[in-house]
Amino acid sequence: KAGVTQTPRYLIKTRGQQVTLSCSPISGHRSVSWYQQTPGQGLQFLFEYFSETQRNKGNFPGRFSGRQFSNSRSEMNVSTLELGDSALYLCASSFALAAGELFFGEGSRLTVL
Amino acid sequence: AQKITQTQPGMFVQEKEAVTLDCTYDTSDPSYGLFWYKQPSSGEMIFLIYQGSYDQQNATEGRYSLNFQKARKSANLVISASQLGDSAMYFCAMRETRRPGSARQLTFGSGTQLTVLP
Repeated sequence: KAGVTQTPRYLIKTRGQQVTLSCSPISGHRSVSWYQQTPGQGLQFLFEYFSETQRNKGNFPGRFSGRQFSNSRSEMNVSTLELGDSALYLCASSFALAAGELFFGEGSRLTVL
Repeated sequence: AQKITQTQPGMFVQEKEAVTLDCTYDTSDPSYGLFWYKQPSSGEMIFLIYQGSYDQQNATEGRYSLNFQKARKSANLVISASQLGDSAMYFCAMRETRRPGSARQLTFGSGTQLTVLP
């Protein structure tokens, strides 16, 4: 059974640009969550999607957005990038909404210059 | 609000010995789940073990066991017979399950960096 796949694995952007990250969940999983991981703030919850609807949102500015498609694949977008957005962005999937263990991908490491 | 505390930023253990990683939590929800994840240098978070707040017995998964002390609100991870491949960052996490769906996110502690010495 394939795991959670995130693309791209690494990317470098400059301030003011925008970025889109993609996540393909484990087959059959309908919930996708996104986390931001930084050395200073640790793992912080961004949002969770289930059945194409955002069901849960963390405390991040509106520059951070996401969506989920009918095949459960998800994308997150960060607009007007700031230096502080440099982080490892982790996607996780689970079978049900806000329940059970999360299965994580290897993350997308974003560097903002 | 839920809170997870891991007080050991780093730990060292000799290969083949057992090690305990500490985790305390704070919640007013009587129903919750506790999780441990391992994050090697590759970045992927690997699920290790789960304990429900109403589970009567401590969870075990192979070399991993969870020392759950509900009254003390602690959920320590015990790794027996450490291996070099166990060197990684370990995160404790909690999800409150009685709260409305919008508040049932998984919240993580700050992590413990475990180094297994040969």
